Amino acid sequence: AQSVTQLDSHVSVSEGTPVLLRCNYSSSYSPSLFWYVQHPNKGLQLLLKYTSAATLVKGINGFEAEFKKSETSFHLTKPSAHMSDAAEYFCVVINQAGTALIFGKGTTLSVSS
Amino acid sequence: DSGVTQTPKHLITATGQRVTLRCSPRSGDLSVYWYQQSLDQGLQFLIQYYNGEERAKGNILERFSAQQFPDLHSELNLSSLELGDSALYFCASGTGGQETQYFGPGTRLLVL
Repeated sequence: AQSVTQLDSHVSVSEGTPVLLRCNYSSSYSPSLFWYVQHPNKGLQLLLKYTSAATLVKGINGFEAEFKKSETSFHLTKPSAHMSDAAEYFCVVINQAGTALIFGKGTTLSVSS
Repeated sequence: DSGVTQTPKHLITATGQRVTLRCSPRSGDLSVYWYQQSLDQGLQFLIQYYNGEERAKGNILERFSAQQFPDLHSELNLSSLELGDSALYFCASGTGGQETQYFGPGTRLLVL
């Protein structure tokens, strides 16, 4: 069965410093992986998607993620955090049938000035 | 704005009652997915419809049911509500398969 594990439940950074949110996946096939963001009292917004075309995926708002098969990881990074990046971030894998998204438990990103 | 709409935004009801949540997918999307977000269970897939037909079921209780209408909007019916059903219910739409799912703003259900 497919699964994702987000290694940190909470990450705190200062504005202008790099962001690293860690995610490991488990899958018996080549998965499609996603990062979604949820701002307080808002819906889920797609940040980026990996579908095996390129291992380094660029998303919106300066975020990117690198797919590393040897490490079964799909970490999310951003060179410089902004206050507006404070939110909940979810690493997600889609099941093989393409019928359901399987969510990690989420990482809360806090950004201080 | 994802293009997926959900109504109502908030719903407060009592135990034992029945409610209906509505979702309109993005233009052109044939698939509708329902998810539940709760503090203890996180985000969980409930059910998928594709062009009016049920395609997949996840952790959906027997008290819950859904349908997709000819105009492709979908409704999630929750009956015999319990306190533990209080959660944020999301609808997503997509073209199906391994493609991206786009989420609506959610309906926050509070069962008192």
